[in-house]
Amino acid sequence: DSGVTQTPKHLITATGQRVTLRCSPRSGDLSVYWYQQSLDQGLQFLIQYYNGEERAKGNILERFSAQQFPDLHSELNLSSLELGDSALYFCASSVKLNTEAFFGQGTRLTVV
Amino acid sequence: AQSVTQPDIHITVSEGASLELRCNYSYGATPYLFWYVQSPGQGLQLLLKYFSGDTLVQGIKGFEAEFKRSQSSFNLRKPSVHWSDAAEYFCAVCRIGSARQLTFGSGTQLTVLP
Repeated sequence: DSGVTQTPKHLITATGQRVTLRCSPRSGDLSVYWYQQSLDQGLQFLIQYYNGEERAKGNILERFSAQQFPDLHSELNLSSLELGDSALYFCASSVKLNTEAFFGQGTRLTVV
Repeated sequence: AQSVTQPDIHITVSEGASLELRCNYSYGATPYLFWYVQSPGQGLQLLLKYFSGDTLVQGIKGFEAEFKRSQSSFNLRKPSVHWSDAAEYFCAVCRIGSARQLTFGSGTQLTVLP
């Protein structure tokens, strides 16, 4: 157990809908990362937050957004969902910006 | 842009045999290098990492990796594979001094035969 908690573990939703994925980082970790793992794109970095502020963006679609709250948990919002958004979404956290990150077990999103 | 290549999509070995998983990276300078393992239904677990210093790195579960600058490689090895090692293995890199935004390879699926 890495100490990073992601909810829900599984999510099935219809095209066009909006969902929110939640991540609770390890106790004391200030940095949160979101990654997407899909069959065609592999593992890709989406976005990073540090102590509530966005610090880096990767291949994140405009339909997707994220935030980190004062209690340091983070949410990834996915809207206008398409079949191609079906993937495993991972959250990772680290103590500082440039220290080792620990991954949660992921949320599997299925868009039907 | 940095990239990571894992040329072997799937490898099958017998239990007790040795293992080597290949990883090559493309980057302007030596990056930080990592190997992760993903078991079915599980998250990513860090096996080992290379930042600097000794080019032979020891990790958890009996794994080691060797960084070869001249070949831009960071191959993962294990002298004797156990059935519980069956999983998918990912090589990853990130820029030195930066936040840990990892670029992953496409993964190598390891099957272990009894």
